[in-house]
Parts: sequence; structure tokens; C-alpha cells
Amino acid sequence: KQEVTQIPAALSVPEGENLVLNCSFTDSAIYNLQWFRQDPGKGLTSLLLIQSSQREQTSGRLNASLDKSSGRSTLYIAASQPGDSATYLCAVSVPSKIIFGSGTRLSIRP
Amino acid sequence: DTAVSQTPKYLVTQMGNDKSIKCEQNLGHDTMYWYKQDSKKFLKIMFSYNNKELIINETVPNRFSPKSPDKAHLNLHINSLELGDSAVYFCASSQEGYAVGTTNTGELFFGEGSRLTVL
Repeated sequence: KQEVTQIPAALSVPEGENLVLNCSFTDSAIYNLQWFRQDPGKGLTSLLLIQSSQREQTSGRLNASLDKSSGRSTLYIAASQPGDSATYLCAVSVPSKIIFGSGTRLSIRP
Repeated sequence: DTAVSQTPKYLVTQMGNDKSIKCEQNLGHDTMYWYKQDSKKFLKIMFSYNNKELIINETVPNRFSPKSPDKAHLNLHINSLELGDSAVYFCASSQEGYAVGTTNTGELFFGEGSRLTVL
């Protein structure tokens, strides 16, 4: 059974720092892995999607990596800003299902 | 132009009532989902439909009945509401395309959520 874990559950860093969010999954047989952002009281916004054949994807200050063999993905945020404060969730696609981690609540201190 | 829209955004009702949440996507996707996000913010899949056919029912009580009149719509009807049903319900859609070599990405798009409060 596929399980997705995100550690830590919460993270607070000062503005301007680079940071890494972690996601791990137990079964390497995934189709893709997706990182989302959720602001309080809002829906989920897709940030990056990495296909199982890819190693990383980049969008602006965000870089996501995927290592299927070790069951890990990281989301790297460069030069963090207060507007980056949100909950970040990763999700893996398996047959007919997308399974989410419990998220990391990120707070960027001005 | 909203890609995945769900209504209502807020729903407050008494225990025992029946309520529905509607979802529509204009992305041309074949697969739609309902997710439940509990008070601890954990997202758990409830149902997935592909081209109007039920693919997944994740041990959800039969008080919950999804209905897909066409592949652009997936509605959720809940009978005899209980206190534990209070949560945010998210609709989502994706284009199934997991085979190697396909150009479809399988990216998941979410609605804004419907916050259900059962009193």
C-alpha cells in the first residue's frame, strides 16, 4: 500500500533563505509526483509535476527533484519571500488514484 | 475562466439532512475526483470517475453517492448527514494518460473547495 509522508509538518524560516521541503513514498511504482500549494481557506494550486521518467522540474524559484529508487522528492525554494507562506503538499499518482502527503506548513518571517 | 468549479463554497446544515455539492470542469478531462480534507488538513480520496464510470470508491459510507451525468460533471450527494461529515470537500480533475510515451501529463487540477459544517 502506497504511503506518502512529509516531514517536517511545519517549518519557519527568515525571509531570503533557501529551503528544502521533503516528501517520501513507500512504493516506487508511481506515474508522476506533483507538488501543490494550499493557502488558508483555499483550494490547491499545482506548482510542479514530475513524470516518473524525469529527475527534476523547475519553475522560477522552485525546483522539484524525484528519486524513485529511494522513494523521495524534494521541493527547493530559493530566496524565500513572505508570500511563499502556505502549506505545501506532495502527491503521487498510482493506477486510478492520487495519494497525498499530509503537507508541510511553511512560514516565512519578514 | 475557472477550470474546476464547485458549488456551494459554504454549506451549513443540521444533522440528518441531505445535501449536494456540484462540480464542473471545463478542461476536457476524462477523470474527476472527490477528496475530503479533514480538520488536520489531510486530503483523502473518496471517489474517482473516468468518463462517467466509477473507478474508485475508497470505503466511503453509502450515504455518499456520487453522480456523473457527463464527463464534465461530478456531483456529490450526501444523505443523513452526521457531525463527522464536517470537512472541506474538494473536486479535482485530470487527464488520464499514464502510459509511457503519452503526451498527457496526468496533472491534477482542484476546485476551491466546499466547506461543509454539520450542526
